[in-house]
Amino acid sequence: AQSVAQPEDQVNVAEGNPLTVKCTYSVSGNPYLFWYVQYPNRGLQFLLKYITGDNLVKGSYGFEAEFNKSQTSFHLKKPSALVSDSALYFCAVRDGYNAGNMLTFGGGTRLMVKP
Amino acid sequence: DSGVTQTPKHLITATGQRVTLRCSPRSGDLSVYWYQQSLDQGLQFLIQYYNGEERAKGNILERFSAQQFPDLHSELNLSSLELGDSALYFCASSVDGDPGNQPQHFGDGTRLSIL
Repeated sequence: AQSVAQPEDQVNVAEGNPLTVKCTYSVSGNPYLFWYVQYPNRGLQFLLKYITGDNLVKGSYGFEAEFNKSQTSFHLKKPSALVSDSALYFCAVRDGYNAGNMLTFGGGTRLMVKP
Repeated sequence: DSGVTQTPKHLITATGQRVTLRCSPRSGDLSVYWYQQSLDQGLQFLIQYYNGEERAKGNILERFSAQQFPDLHSELNLSSLELGDSALYFCASSVDGDPGNQPQHFGDGTRLSIL
């Protein structure tokens, strides 16, 4: 079975400060990991993915994520938050060894960036 | 704009009724995925179609069914509706049938309200 956890329902950060949105996962094989963002009344938008290779993945809008196999984590980061980054962020995982598995999404973390 | 079109945007109906949600995937995408997003269940994968054939099934109720047509658009049919079916229903598409290698592109969803 595969699962993903986002331990924080909400993260508050001041504009200009660095932000981190946490994600931990559980799979039996190699993980394929994704971050998506959802703005109000919109569908999810792809930010970045980790399949293999460099543990630091760079994505859209200045976001990056660090894959840590020993801690089974894939935290989303950004050096300097913008008010426009305020949205709902979803981490998703898929077991790379099982082609039949679908993406499993975390419960989401609401990011609030205050001016 | 993701290129995925969902209609209608809003749907209000009564318990026991049947509705059809429609999705046009992004041009060139062969896979269509359906998800249900609710406050208590989060984002749940329902079903995937690839090039007209069912590819994978998730937490889809027996009262729900879907199909993908030769022009690759898809429909999700929900019958014998219950109050608990009120949710946002998203369609997503991707280039191929493997959800692990390519990002999914989401439509803006259909908000279904059961009265």
